[in-house]
Amino acid sequence: EAQVTQNPRYLITVTGKKLTVTCSQNMNHEYMSWYRQDPGLGLRQIYYSMNVEVTDKGDVPEGYKVSRKEKRNFPLILESPSPNQTSLYFCASSLQRASYEQYFGPGTRLTVT
Amino acid sequence: AQTVTQSQPEMSVQEAETVTLSCTYDTSENNYYLFWYKQPPSRQMILVIRQEAYKQQNATENRFSVNFQKAAKSFSLKISDSQLGDTAMYFCAFRGNNNNDMRFGAGTRLTVKP
Repeated sequence: EAQVTQNPRYLITVTGKKLTVTCSQNMNHEYMSWYRQDPGLGLRQIYYSMNVEVTDKGDVPEGYKVSRKEKRNFPLILESPSPNQTSLYFCASSLQRASYEQYFGPGTRLTVT
Repeated sequence: AQTVTQSQPEMSVQEAETVTLSCTYDTSENNYYLFWYKQPPSRQMILVIRQEAYKQQNATENRFSVNFQKAAKSFSLKISDSQLGDTAMYFCAFRGNNNNDMRFGAGTRLTVKP
């Protein structure tokens, strides 16, 4: 089954404790992206990757890191999480062309206390 | 930078009736793509419909159709014969042809009442 998977689905952590949210897709998509969803703000892009070893900042990259060492994986790293990073996070992937829809993972609910 | 605006935070409609969700966007590009995504309580993002800006014909997918007005930069979603399962958040999204980032509106929460 073609899908985007994210782990964990739920995470409660404390300020400053490094964490990684994994994202993997099995559709051989070149493009992958991370979003955060907050009430009243919709989805905002954190980082995206056009292909392996190519990453770019989105609208809200502060406090986040990503890497794209393999085509299928695109982990999101929070080196020192803070309470304002409490949010719902989505990973998405698509073929390279802008005309193609993005396929979304199931989301990760992160709470930083 | 492109922006996407959904001016209706919440809407409701009676089952079997028709509802229209509004979306406007701002861009200097001529070629781009517009999407409507549905997010039910399960939180999964589901593509509802897609429109290519170079196509004049409005896209249609079963009960879902769009009214795309390129000059006005407007992209509204019409849901006909609303069903209880249509209850969800709906997001309008823009994806430019020159880059690959996707911009989302703030969303409209739609409730279909029995």
